[in-house]
Amino acid sequence: AQKITQTQPGMFVQEKEAVTLDCTYDTSDQSYGLFWYKQPSSGEMIFLIYQGSYDEQNATEGRYSLNFQKARKSANLVISASQLGDSAMYFCAMRDLRSGGYNKLIFGAGTRLAVHP
Amino acid sequence: NAGVTQTPKFQVLKTGQSMTLQCAQDMNHNSMYWYRQDPGMGLRLIYYSASEGTTDKGEVPNGYNVSRLNKREFSLRLESAAPSQTSVYFCASSETGATDTQYFGPGTRLTVL
Repeated sequence: AQKITQTQPGMFVQEKEAVTLDCTYDTSDQSYGLFWYKQPSSGEMIFLIYQGSYDEQNATEGRYSLNFQKARKSANLVISASQLGDSAMYFCAMRDLRSGGYNKLIFGAGTRLAVHP
Repeated sequence: NAGVTQTPKFQVLKTGQSMTLQCAQDMNHNSMYWYRQDPGMGLRLIYYSASEGTTDKGEVPNGYNVSRLNKREFSLRLESAAPSQTSVYFCASSETGATDTQYFGPGTRLTVL
């Protein structure tokens, strides 16, 4: 069965430093998509970044980058130059292509990031 | 663009009561989804709709029904609420494409007493 594992329940980082949030996944599919979402204390789910399994380069979106290691089945999120506003819950998710083409997402349990001044 | 909107934002029900959560999107997306998020957990899919007129069960459909009213609107109904349905409910939508990225509404916090 497809599964997402986020082993860090909580992380903290000093403002302006970089931080890596871990995500490993399990799938037998060759074609899949990986997503990261941010959930601040206000509760909404904010899309951050996407990586396709066939993408040769790691995805980047501003201060966010995805360290994609296909052989290790890991898709770690790197946040550079952390800001106080980055304090939030972060979820890794995988698209389940076995759902007949429907875009079902499987989520990990999340990592709570605290940015300290 | 408002994106994905949900009503209500908060709701308290008594066991056995019924209610409908409303969701609408203005991004012209084909697919829409309902998830629930329980404390300390990621989101779990309740139902989804790949296109207008179609709906399918997700991971945790028991106790829920859905209606895809039109391309914009997708509602979730609890016919007889139970305390186990206390959760935060998120609606999402996506367009079929290269990434199929899902965009989420602000959520509805539901408490069943």
